[in-house]
Amino acid sequence: SQKIEQNSEALNIQEGKTATLTCNYTNYSPAYLQWYRQDPGRGPVFLLLIRENEKEKRKERLKVTFDTTLKQSLFHITASQPADSATYLCALDYNQGGKLIFGQGTELSVKP
Amino acid sequence: GAGVSQSPSNKVTEKGKDVELRCDPISGHTALYWYRQSLGQGLEFLIYFQGNSAPDKSGLPSDRFSAERTGGSVSTLTIQRTQQEDSAVYLCASMRQEYNEQFFGPGTRLTVL
Repeated sequence: SQKIEQNSEALNIQEGKTATLTCNYTNYSPAYLQWYRQDPGRGPVFLLLIRENEKEKRKERLKVTFDTTLKQSLFHITASQPADSATYLCALDYNQGGKLIFGQGTELSVKP
Repeated sequence: GAGVSQSPSNKVTEKGKDVELRCDPISGHTALYWYRQSLGQGLEFLIYFQGNSAPDKSGLPSDRFSAERTGGSVSTLTIQRTQQEDSAVYLCASMRQEYNEQFFGPGTRLTVL
């Protein structure tokens, strides 16, 4: 079965630095790979979607890369702020709108 | 506009009881999903409704779990004869098919004593 691995340990960085989160998967590549943000006690919030044939996608301070050869996606937050502190979830979509398969998430803490 | 709403926000029940969890999706969203999230874990897919198609039930963990979606809108997830391992946050999401972005509700925290 499909397995998704995200940085299991919390990531602690200084304000203003770039945070880089990793999502690795096994087996075949999804049609879409998505990143969500989740704050404690809340549902996930969609951030970015990248397609199988795309290498990179940007949105404001966020950047996602997708390497189907390495079976890996990297999620970058530039000029990080304490408000970026949250858990970030990687999700695979094999059916272009069907169910999502989520990683366990990486907790990011940005210190002032 | 209103987002996805879920009720109740918290539910405490005794082992063996049945529970019903409700999800009101965003108006006009044809797709509706149920996931559950155990403490410190990622989301686990349960069931997916898309328009009038037969639902994808491949994530339901046992036959004690069922869900329905009436009139293409509101959905109810039912857990019969609850067990302690059913304790989790149950999250509902809806989506407009052409955008592939799921909008999540706040979840229902279920505790089975």
